[in-house]
Amino acid sequence: DSGVTQTPKHLITATGQRVTLRCSPRSGDLSVYWYQQSLDQGLQFLIQYYNGEERAKGNILERFSAQQFPDLHSELNLSSLELGDSALYFCASSVVGTTNTGELFFGEGSRLTVL
Amino acid sequence: KNEVEQSPQNLTAQEGEFITINCSYSVGISALHWLQQHPGGGIVSLFMLSSGKKKHGRLIATINIQEKHSSLHITASHPRDSAVYICAVILKSSGSARQLTFGSGTQLTVLP
Repeated sequence: DSGVTQTPKHLITATGQRVTLRCSPRSGDLSVYWYQQSLDQGLQFLIQYYNGEERAKGNILERFSAQQFPDLHSELNLSSLELGDSALYFCASSVVGTTNTGELFFGEGSRLTVL
Repeated sequence: KNEVEQSPQNLTAQEGEFITINCSYSVGISALHWLQQHPGGGIVSLFMLSSGKKKHGRLIATINIQEKHSSLHITASHPRDSAVYICAVILKSSGSARQLTFGSGTQLTVLP
């Protein structure tokens, strides 16, 4: 158990809908990272928050947004869903703000299926 | 061309064999991670390297910054090692973001 909790584990929805994925980092970790893993694109970095502030942005679509709350949990909001958004969405956390120092701890992922 | 290339894509071994998975990258990096993804989908970080070699149990990871190459070795492989192994780098060009760029993974199957 990594200590990172993601909910829901599975989600099935229809095109055009909006969903929210939630991540609770390990106790004491200030950074939360979101990644998308799809069959055609592999793993891609989406966005990072550090202590409530956006730290870095990767290949995140404008239809997607995220935030980190004062209690350090984070939510990834996906709207106007398309078939191609079907993927496994991972959250990871670390104590520090960069991934080249310290370990990364991953959640089990949220599997999104858009029909 | 991907900035991070892994080989082989698929690897089948017999229990007890010594296994090597390779990762090459084409640009400057500040660090490299080896990740393990279980059949159920969960990801575990195995190593983070910026130079030299690290060992944890039966796993050994090495990196040669000049040659832009890293290897993950598994000694005395076991069926429970069956998983996808993913190399991920932090590109120097990503600046202060220092976020991960991933390889496509190596599917390892260890047969009893």
